[in-house]
Amino acid sequence: DVKVTQSSRYLVKRTGEKVFLECVQDMDHENMFWYRQDPGLGLRLIYFSYDVKMKEKGDIPEGYSVSREKKERFSLILESASTNQTSMYLCASSFFGGNQPQHFGDGTRLSIL
Amino acid sequence: EDQVTQSPEALRLQEGESSSLNCSYTVSGLRGLFWYRQDPGKGPEFLFTLYSAGEEKEKERLKATLTKKESFLHITAPKPEDSATYLCAPLEGAQKLVFGQGTRLTINP
Repeated sequence: DVKVTQSSRYLVKRTGEKVFLECVQDMDHENMFWYRQDPGLGLRLIYFSYDVKMKEKGDIPEGYSVSREKKERFSLILESASTNQTSMYLCASSFFGGNQPQHFGDGTRLSIL
Repeated sequence: EDQVTQSPEALRLQEGESSSLNCSYTVSGLRGLFWYRQDPGKGPEFLFTLYSAGEEKEKERLKATLTKKESFLHITAPKPEDSATYLCAPLEGAQKLVFGQGTRLTINP
């Protein structure tokens, strides 16, 4: 079974802090994705990566950056956390090719106070 | 702008009462459409991929169908464990999924 592991289920941080969310997959997938999920807005793509050190902006990249130094690990960075970044963050991975299903982790619920 | 609309937003059924969920999309040049199930506090779980109009996929009590502008998820004789939010996501471009807001399904025993 595909396993996508997110480092924290719940995280509480303060405004202005630099926040790191980590995601690891064990299926040798080329693609990795970061989404946020908000009530009424659904899942929105923040960034994705199709190879090590490669990244592409999604629909809402502002205020975020990403890092992919190893194939299995994809990090989401909130450069200076703000309260409007309070959300559920979901990581996903897939084999290369858009018709490959994405497999999701169980999410990190991040609260910015 | 590509859009995905799922209806109804919420659906409550009795155990054994069959129904259908709808996913309408305006993605041009559709290359695939995905269905996911999401339980509270969990990430979405992959169910099906449909690639072309007329295609159908089945899994236990679920059957997904695809036309040029819509996809349906038919649920036959559902059980309480089928309660979840069901998400559809057409593929936009080469790699990007566009998610609908989901249908929250509740099956009462």
